[in-house]
Amino acid sequence: GAVVSQHPSWVICKSGTSVKIECRSLDFQATTMFWYRQFPKQSLMLMATSNEGSKATYEQGVEKDKFLINHASLTLSTLTVTSAHPEDSSFYICSAKLGLWAQPQHFGDGTRLSIL
Amino acid sequence: ELKVEQNPLFLSMQEGKNYTIYCNYSTTSDRLYWYRQDPGKSLESLFVLLSNGAVKQEGRLMASLDTKARLSTLHITAAVHDLSATYFCAALNAGGTSYGKLTFGQGTILTVHP
Repeated sequence: GAVVSQHPSWVICKSGTSVKIECRSLDFQATTMFWYRQFPKQSLMLMATSNEGSKATYEQGVEKDKFLINHASLTLSTLTVTSAHPEDSSFYICSAKLGLWAQPQHFGDGTRLSIL
Repeated sequence: ELKVEQNPLFLSMQEGKNYTIYCNYSTTSDRLYWYRQDPGKSLESLFVLLSNGAVKQEGRLMASLDTKARLSTLHITAAVHDLSATYFCAALNAGGTSYGKLTFGQGTILTVHP
């Protein structure tokens, strides 16, 4: 149980394009989803927290106009990297959990984004 | 603000040897997680430790938690090559603006060689 699907797993695109990444909880209702970014050989850095039906909360230093997050249903959150540039190339990982504080986060398989 | 520090950051081990990875966290947290990450992959959950003195074991890995010392350890027994990966600990924020969020350690890159 507790499967989180992330799509696509790998995307390569030209600088200036926008890229959308989907995160779906397949067998549970995720009231809260998290988006992380991981650069090579570094730890996971939380970008934002999204709760179903409300605006995402962004961590300090993360541009909300650059990284658009939508959590329109209890099973789907999307991250759109707008006007992507090479410095946005990274591994993006989502996680999902039920709303209670103590519930564990279930991680997606990640999306490797490469901007040329 | 909760901070999580792991050490060592890099660990090269011979097969068959034992070693411990340490995870210190700076403020109160009731839940401590250990994850494994293989190259190019996402996180695989290994252990969740819920209370002081908790010990969990799975195969050659054993994790423990001392909430008074704010320390968790991941002990590797008789290492094998298949254990080569990056290991992360993460503590759950119990209050403040980061309530309910995970704070990750830097990760320990483990390489097990013959």
